[in-house]
Amino acid sequence: RKEVEQDPGPFNVPEGATVAFNCTYSNSASQSFFWYRQDCRKEPKLLMSVYSSGNEDGRFTAQLNRASQYISLLIRDSKLSDSATYLCVVNTGFQKLVFGTGTRLLVSP
Amino acid sequence: DAMVIQNPRYQVTQFGKPVTLSCSQTLNHNVMYWYQQKSSQAPKLLFHYYDKDFNNEADTPDNFQSRRPNTSFCFLDIRSPGLGDAAMYLCATSRDGRTTDQPQHFGDGTRLSIL
Repeated sequence: RKEVEQDPGPFNVPEGATVAFNCTYSNSASQSFFWYRQDCRKEPKLLMSVYSSGNEDGRFTAQLNRASQYISLLIRDSKLSDSATYLCVVNTGFQKLVFGTGTRLLVSP
Repeated sequence: DAMVIQNPRYQVTQFGKPVTLSCSQTLNHNVMYWYQQKSSQAPKLLFHYYDKDFNNEADTPDNFQSRRPNTSFCFLDIRSPGLGDAAMYLCATSRDGRTTDQPQHFGDGTRLSIL
């Protein structure tokens, strides 16, 4: 079983749609969680950290369910510029991040 | 302004010819990481430095080495590149790896091609 699992997609949605991604992790001792965005042939960029209480940043909402070991990302009012791969990232301790393979989002006009 | 800078952006080398990729940072972060990312795959951690302490991943081939001569610079050396080493190589930093909520900041990456 992979340490971090994501549906690779692609998720094809129209502009303005709401879309949600889930991610599961296997290590119950994982300590912190992030969503990164990666555009084609570019480096990953931090989108947001994920806190136990859930957190929101504009159109983006992240939630963490430790009991079920999953993390979610909700994007409201999708824009064309949201098209990218979204990487679920888990810090398992010891200065190490474990990346999921990413979920690809395509937003169309 | 770029804070984690990788050079070159694109590197072409011959099969078996040693190659060095460089990374520099202006963030004064303690931890520097090297990842390998192949197409449609997750970034794979090769090794990291916590200050001067080198930490190799168990499955990183011996063909890959790293040097960190000072806080700002870190190098990835591939001693004898094979065709399977063609990938994007990403350098990242984090301020203090002991606190787990620190995100990592990535450079633009170096795309390595092997002829």
